[in-house]
Amino acid sequence: DQQVKQNSPSLSVQEGRISILNCDYTNSMFDYFLWYKKYPAEGPTFLISISSIKDKNEDGRFTVFLNKSAKHLSLHIVPSQPGDSAVYFCAASESGSARQLTFGSGTQLTVLP
Amino acid sequence: KAGVTQTPRYLIKTRGQQVTLSCSPISGHRSVSWYQQTPGQGLQFLFEYFSETQRNKGNFPGRFSGRQFSNSRSEMNVSTLELGDSALYLCASVAEPGREKLFFGSGTQLSVL
Repeated sequence: DQQVKQNSPSLSVQEGRISILNCDYTNSMFDYFLWYKKYPAEGPTFLISISSIKDKNEDGRFTVFLNKSAKHLSLHIVPSQPGDSAVYFCAASESGSARQLTFGSGTQLTVLP
Repeated sequence: KAGVTQTPRYLIKTRGQQVTLSCSPISGHRSVSWYQQTPGQGLQFLFEYFSETQRNKGNFPGRFSGRQFSNSRSEMNVSTLELGDSALYLCASVAEPGREKLFFGSGTQLSVL
């Protein structure tokens, strides 16, 4: 049973446009959410996180939105750049198991020049 | 500061063998977690060690085990390898208990023939 789902395996966006990556979760005990980016042959690198007490967190070109009632979060990248092309993973954790992250299956983002 | 170092990068084994993977966390980081990534799947949590003690364990069979040494370096062992154990094994470290982002190594790609 996948508790964190990324239903879009891939997404293509033109350079300069907005990229929106989506993630749904089923476990209502999750209270902390993260996005990681992964290039081939490298480990995932942290992008941005959000606590369940917030509904938005922004860091430069990256913004994460959390809709607790819908159990949905999204990552917005504006403007998208070719260097953003990577696999993006959504992850979630419960308090008390802070480093036991539950990951989605990832979305391959391709930013076209 | 050096990142998380995993050795070896690639490993080929045959069914029934056992394997040991090594992880050196970022200097000063005391928590080490292990994750398995298989094609098309997200990262699956294996276990987490803190101060040489296993704190959390994921839903993997007993063939998967780990340990942490006094210098925070960690090893994971898989015994009686199966074809389905072929995966990228990722190690992550974090300085203190909390919601900080995990820093991942580049992983060990294990192929079981």
